[in-house]
Amino acid sequence: SQKIEQNSEALNIQEGKTATLTCNYTNYSPAYLQWYRQDPGRGPVFLLLIRENEKEKRKERLKVTFDTTLKQSLFHITASQPADSATYLCAFSPFNQAGTALIFGKGTTLSVSS
Amino acid sequence: NAGVMQNPRHLVRRRGQEARLRCSPVKGHSHVYWYRQLPEEGLKFMVYLQKENIIDESGMPKERFSAEFPKEGPSILRIQQVVRGDSAAYFCASSPPSGAQYFGPGTRLTVT
Repeated sequence: SQKIEQNSEALNIQEGKTATLTCNYTNYSPAYLQWYRQDPGRGPVFLLLIRENEKEKRKERLKVTFDTTLKQSLFHITASQPADSATYLCAFSPFNQAGTALIFGKGTTLSVSS
Repeated sequence: NAGVMQNPRHLVRRRGQEARLRCSPVKGHSHVYWYRQLPEEGLKFMVYLQKENIIDESGMPKERFSAEFPKEGPSILRIQQVVRGDSAAYFCASSPPSGAQYFGPGTRLTVT
């Protein structure tokens, strides 16, 4: 069955460093991947979407890559701040359109210390 | 520019009662999704609806659970005869015809 894994349950880094989170998928070739941020007690907040024909996408301090050969997406936060502490979820859908279920990883909880 | 609205935010039900969760999508979004998040687990898809139609309910338990998205009004997720195992956070998301899904704040259901 389709599977998506986020390698680390938790990642601790110091303020100012770059955080790199990994998302691997198996048994499928998604058309796009999405990354979300979830704070305790809140709903996921959409951050970035990257399509299979895009190698890299950036938004302010965030960068996402998508390697269809390695079946992997990397999510980077540069110049990390304590306010970036949250759980980050990756998700994929097999189709490049709405109307399909998102399959989520369990998330990586990032802690940025000052 | 209101996002996805869900109510109630917290719901306590005794075993055997019914739970009704409501979701108003982002204005202009015609696609609604329901997900469940159990403690220590990831988000799991339950059902996808468009106005007046259930498109995909492959993630929804066959019994006691139902969902609707009427022509007028919010989408409703209904759980009949709740059991303790139904305790979870239920999230609704909406999207335009193509693009990302935007999530609401969730309804936390506690079954006592």
